[in-house]
Amino acid sequence: EADIYQTPRYLVIGTGKKITLECSQTMGHDKMYWYQQDPGMELHLIHYSYGVNSTEKGDLSSESTVSRIRTEHFPLTLESARPSHTSQYLCASSESTAIAEAFFGQGTRLTVV
Amino acid sequence: DAKTTQPPSMDCAEGRAANLPCNHSTISGNEYVYWYRQIHSQGPQYIIHGLKNNETNEMASLIITEDRKSSTLILPHATLRDTAVYYCIVRVGRNQGGKLIFGQGTELSVKP
Repeated sequence: EADIYQTPRYLVIGTGKKITLECSQTMGHDKMYWYQQDPGMELHLIHYSYGVNSTEKGDLSSESTVSRIRTEHFPLTLESARPSHTSQYLCASSESTAIAEAFFGQGTRLTVV
Repeated sequence: DAKTTQPPSMDCAEGRAANLPCNHSTISGNEYVYWYRQIHSQGPQYIIHGLKNNETNEMASLIITEDRKSSTLILPHATLRDTAVYYCIVRVGRNQGGKLIFGQGTELSVKP
């Protein structure tokens, strides 16, 4: 059983609000990832981190930002939410080796009204 | 750039083997083939991975062709709970940190 948790599971919020999506893992994994997935569509990598104080942009441009101050915690922030940010956000983590399997959280389904 | 090609959808009868194909003709020598599945937009679940040899675990078998340009995921006795989107992924090379880049996947429907 993977020990990676995302909160909240569902969030409905008004345009212009600042939001932070939480992701925590208790496996001591160095690598963490954020993916964005629209309904019925594929997952797109938007951010990743190889360890504390390391963050990189993914393959899909995103207005969100991330931080990695602690190994176990990789929050994603939207400074000013817009309806175009409505999507599912999935967090994942893996060990440091390049071929290690990734464990995914259950996702946060964000709706901006 | 898409590195894998999968059929968009497949059907399988319950209890029968489900064979999901994947083409990865541009795979490099040190790149692994991974399979994940996603049920009802939950977080993807790891199934299996391989480099050259065929692999088997409690969930599935992975058959990789000798030239490594294609592979097949086999679910030996599909159940209704195996209905999901299955993703075949070529793990981006070591120099790029082994990121998982997902494609469109195959939507497998297991029918009674």
